[in-house]
Amino acid sequence: DGGITQSPKYLFRKEGQNVTLSCEQNLNHDAMYWYRQDPGQGLRLIYYSQIVNDFQKGDIAEGYSVSREKKESFPLTVTSAQKNPTAFYLCASLGGGAGETQYFGPGTRLLVL
Amino acid sequence: AQSVTQLDSHVSVSEGTPVLLRCNYSSSYSPSLFWYVQHPNKGLQLLLKYTSAATLVKGINGFEAEFKKSETSFHLTKPSAHMSDAAEYFCVVSEWNQGGKLIFGQGTELSVKP
Repeated sequence: DGGITQSPKYLFRKEGQNVTLSCEQNLNHDAMYWYRQDPGQGLRLIYYSQIVNDFQKGDIAEGYSVSREKKESFPLTVTSAQKNPTAFYLCASLGGGAGETQYFGPGTRLLVL
Repeated sequence: AQSVTQLDSHVSVSEGTPVLLRCNYSSSYSPSLFWYVQHPNKGLQLLLKYTSAATLVKGINGFEAEFKKSETSFHLTKPSAHMSDAAEYFCVVSEWNQGGKLIFGQGTELSVKP
C-alpha cells in the first residue's frame, strides 16, 4: 500500500524540550514538505526538500529543523526556540507526473504540557 | 506573487441541495489550481486539480470546479450535498517555478444540515 505515514498521531512537549515528528513515504517521490496548520487557518510551509541531502526554508522556518538523509524520510524537529509549537503538522510529498500533485500524510498534533 | 482568496469562511447547506464554495486567485503565470478536503483531525485529500487542460474539472465524490481566467476564479460545486461532505475545503494555487510550493487559501468550512 503506497502512501505517506506520520507518527506519532499525538505528541506532547515539555517546556524547553526538542521533539521530532516522523514522516515516511513509499511513493518514490523526490520532493517532500512540512506544513503547520493552526485553527481556522490555511497551511503554512515550514521546510521543503526537493532531493536527498538538500532542503530549503519555507515561510515559517524559525524554531524548526529538518534532515533528508534518505529519499523516504523527512523528519521535522521542533526545537525549544519555537515558542508557540501547539499546532497540527502535516507532511506531504510531490509526485504524479504531468501536473504534479502534493499528497498528504494524516498529520501529527503537537501539544505543549 | 501568487495568492488565493476563499470568499466564505463558512458555508451551510441542507442535505440534497447544491454546494458552492468560492475561490479567487492571482497568479503571474499560468497556474495550477487544486481543491483539497480535510475532515477533522485528518490529512488533506485531493478533490480535483486544474493544469491548463479542460476548464471544467471533475473530481471525486461528485465535485467539480470551473476555471475562469477572465474572472480569476476556480469555484467548487456539487449538485447535491451529502452529510459526509461536511468538512474543511481548501483552494490552492501552485508555484511551480519555486520548488512546487503551494499557496493555500484560508479554508471554507462546509456544514450540511439534515
